[in-house]
Amino acid sequence: DAMVIQNPRYQVTQFGKPVTLSCSQTLNHNVMYWYQQKSSQAPKLLFHYYDKDFNNEADTPDNFQSRRPNTSFCFLDIRSPGLGDAAMYLCATSRARLETQYFGPGTRLLVL
Amino acid sequence: DQQVKQNSPSLSVQEGRISILNCDYTNSMFDYFLWYKKYPAEGPTFLISISSIKDKNEDGRFTVFLNKSAKHLSLHIVPSQPGDSAVYFCAARTPPNAGNMLTFGGGTRLMVKP
Repeated sequence: DAMVIQNPRYQVTQFGKPVTLSCSQTLNHNVMYWYQQKSSQAPKLLFHYYDKDFNNEADTPDNFQSRRPNTSFCFLDIRSPGLGDAAMYLCATSRARLETQYFGPGTRLLVL
Repeated sequence: DQQVKQNSPSLSVQEGRISILNCDYTNSMFDYFLWYKKYPAEGPTFLISISSIKDKNEDGRFTVFLNKSAKHLSLHIVPSQPGDSAVYFCAARTPPNAGNMLTFGGGTRLMVKP
């Protein structure tokens, strides 16, 4: 049974056109994370929510925003995608900050 | 500045032999270390972890060793099976008073040949 679901699995957008990636979870976990992973590199944390408390990493560009309307859903908004934003975006959840993170399958974003 | 490094991008092993994946870190504040396994088109899945107060943790065919003085950890898979072929990421966690976040290494692609 899918526990962390990401839609769509592949997303194509145009340079500068806003795009939203979605993540949902059936685990009822308190914490949700968004990571960016570029080819052959380590996943890089963009931000995370602890319940409704938003925590942005210091080096996450302002172009990236997130929303968490309820426990189950979390969205990644890229306001003006550039070619350098093409990457795999991974959503993860954990019951608490100290606990194991469970990852979704990722959304691969292509910017034309 | 890469705080967690996996210096071997790939490793090829014969089925039945031991696979040893290595990871080095620089931040002495890391208090917990994890290994994740990733198949193509799937997200990373948790495999095994170790606290900084231990030097070994074993789970079936998987054993993680931690050498704090060398800031080095390794994952041993024995015996290796073709289904173990995947990308393996090590990750290190900072304690709660330092952000409590995971930092990932760049991954090592393991290929187990039948």
